[in-house]
Amino acid sequence: GAGVSQSPRYKVAKRGQDVALRCDPISGHVSLFWYQQALGQGPEFLTYFQNEAQLDKSGLPSDRFFAERPEGSVSTLKIQRTQQEDSAVYLCASSSKRRGSGELFFGEGSRLTVL
Amino acid sequence: DQQVKQNSPSLSVQEGRISILNCDYTNSMFDYFLWYKKYPAEGPTFLISISSIKDKNEDGRFTVFLNKSAKHLSLHIVPSQPGDSAVYFCAAQSNSGGSNYKLTFGKGTLLTVNP
Repeated sequence: GAGVSQSPRYKVAKRGQDVALRCDPISGHVSLFWYQQALGQGPEFLTYFQNEAQLDKSGLPSDRFFAERPEGSVSTLKIQRTQQEDSAVYLCASSSKRRGSGELFFGEGSRLTVL
Repeated sequence: DQQVKQNSPSLSVQEGRISILNCDYTNSMFDYFLWYKKYPAEGPTFLISISSIKDKNEDGRFTVFLNKSAKHLSLHIVPSQPGDSAVYFCAAQSNSGGSNYKLTFGKGTLLTVNP
């Protein structure tokens, strides 16, 4: 597709369940980011990939969060043993640039609600 | 500790008038600033940016002003149109150091342009 695609758009999980969120970046974009946006807040950085290499995972809130991009294209954000505080919109973004300044192209987000 | 602050949660403006959205930052290492626009149920979309070597950048109806000494930037929309109604996020980046890909966002300002 022309833009960044994320699935599922909405996910309801019971506390303790594992969830997986998928991101299809713009074709050819080397950089891929995950951001978390809690209600009433701005997006907060989670992790950054350059191709298949995860160069920064400093924003991941806990070791229950894991992200991968094995072939340098599609990425998956996995959250194990979900907690209520994990409820948020998870935004994926991609860029044609390696690091550096520039605009990011965001997907529509995956809204996770943990009951 | 909020490094990027948007102190006005909302702003209401009449169609045709000027909208001014404000943003303050505390981190003096920030040297690149961006504005993103977000409609409900969509991801943020890039609007305009400015480097710290400039004090103004203009793109059509949108102008961003940067006052480095005050650590303040503003987005001006003239004339405002009902389609501009959205949440506007200010974001900042540091191009020095190792994390030059990471954006720090404010909480956003909801702009409503009334017909």
